Amino acid sequence: AQSVTQPDIHITVSEGASLELRCNYSYGATPYLFWYVQSPGQGLQLLLKYFSGDTLVQGIKGFEAEFKRSQSSFNLRKPSVHWSDAAEYFCAVGAWAGGFKTIFGAGTRLFVKA
Amino acid sequence: SQTIHQWPATLVQPVGSPLSLECTVEGTSNPNLYWYRQAAGRGLQLLFYSVGIGQISSEVPQNLSASRPQDRQFILSSKKLLLSDSGFYLCAWSVSSGYTDTQYFGPGTRLTVL
Repeated sequence: AQSVTQPDIHITVSEGASLELRCNYSYGATPYLFWYVQSPGQGLQLLLKYFSGDTLVQGIKGFEAEFKRSQSSFNLRKPSVHWSDAAEYFCAVGAWAGGFKTIFGAGTRLFVKA
Repeated sequence: SQTIHQWPATLVQPVGSPLSLECTVEGTSNPNLYWYRQAAGRGLQLLFYSVGIGQISSEVPQNLSASRPQDRQFILSSKKLLLSDSGFYLCAWSVSSGYTDTQYFGPGTRLTVL
């Protein structure tokens, strides 16, 4: 069965600084990987996804993520954080297991300092 | 384009009262439908999923139930609410492409049981 770990419960960065949110997965075959963002009191919005091909994936809102098979990682990055990026970010891994199952990480809350 | 609706947005209910939360999807046919719960400060817990009308799979035993009376309608119910049922309830939909699928989330319902 697949699993996903987000090692950081919360991260604080200054506005304008770069951001990297970590995500590690466990799955024996090629995983399908996702990043979602959740603003307070809102549903989850898909930022980007990786299914195959280029390991650097571009998403919405200026985010990108890189799939590194050797490290079992799918870290989310943004070169310059805006105050509006403050939210909770969820990494997810999907795989076929008697149907397609998606497992979500526990989330990383991002705080942005002015 | 596809849209997903959830109502009500906010609900305050006394312990022991019944519950009915509704989720509807527009713009797609035969979607997979999901109910998740988020307790305060926690990640997503999958409660139920459905691959078709009348087909419901329960992930976690509890006093909640789900039904899918129509193709694009998913209902979460309880006969008697418990304090522990408080949380943020999210509905999601997906359409399997053949080798993967991507979940898209509704805006959520905040349930407070007093």
